[in-house]
Amino acid sequence: AQKITQTQPGMFVQEKEAVTLDCTYDTSDQSYGLFWYKQPSSGEMIFLIYQGSYDEQNATEGRYSLNFQKARKSTNLVISASQLGDSAMYFCAMSQNNFNKFYFGSGTKLNVKP
Amino acid sequence: GAVVSQHPSWVICKSGTSVKIECRSLDFQATTMFWYRQFPKQSLMLMATSNEGSKATYEQGVEKDKFLINHASLTLSTLTVTSAHPEDSSFYICSASQDSIRNIQYFGAGTRLSVL
Repeated sequence: AQKITQTQPGMFVQEKEAVTLDCTYDTSDQSYGLFWYKQPSSGEMIFLIYQGSYDEQNATEGRYSLNFQKARKSTNLVISASQLGDSAMYFCAMSQNNFNKFYFGSGTKLNVKP
Repeated sequence: GAVVSQHPSWVICKSGTSVKIECRSLDFQATTMFWYRQFPKQSLMLMATSNEGSKATYEQGVEKDKFLINHASLTLSTLTVTSAHPEDSSFYICSASQDSIRNIQYFGAGTRLSVL
């Protein structure tokens, strides 16, 4: 069963505008972690931001923030003031079961237009 | 954040040869590391969980004898693709976590394997 769903294969955003990348997850665990990673064309996976299932406030890291809606099981990534360097694949991931395995979504390819 | 080094970054080999990929945690100790495989334009597929001092745990459908994993120390895990064939060509990437509470995975830069 698919645990992480990213429904946007590709997104375009104008430079300096904000963009939201969607992610929904499926778990019956009460304790889990949610993550977003950026993968540029070079292939490296860069950690962006983390949200714990018990965190009451939405996580923020610089230009990255999460819109965490626990009841809806969604954790959307918001990138503010997009930059050309933000063009990349973005993966949502979840860890559960004592935070061992990671489950990745299918990814969203973001293109920032000048 | 923690630094994970992966080597080599790319390798080309002949069919039938074996290839070893190293994954090192440079500034922390990792009792557990993970190995993933990624096909072009697809997501990461977990291959196995590498456990220091014990056998790796393989995901369903991953051949243990084809993909040998050794986690000899708290900072080094190796993945050996044995008797590689063209269908083994892929992007392999490892990860490790320094943070036992949040389990943030830090990834190596990946290895692009091309088997001729």
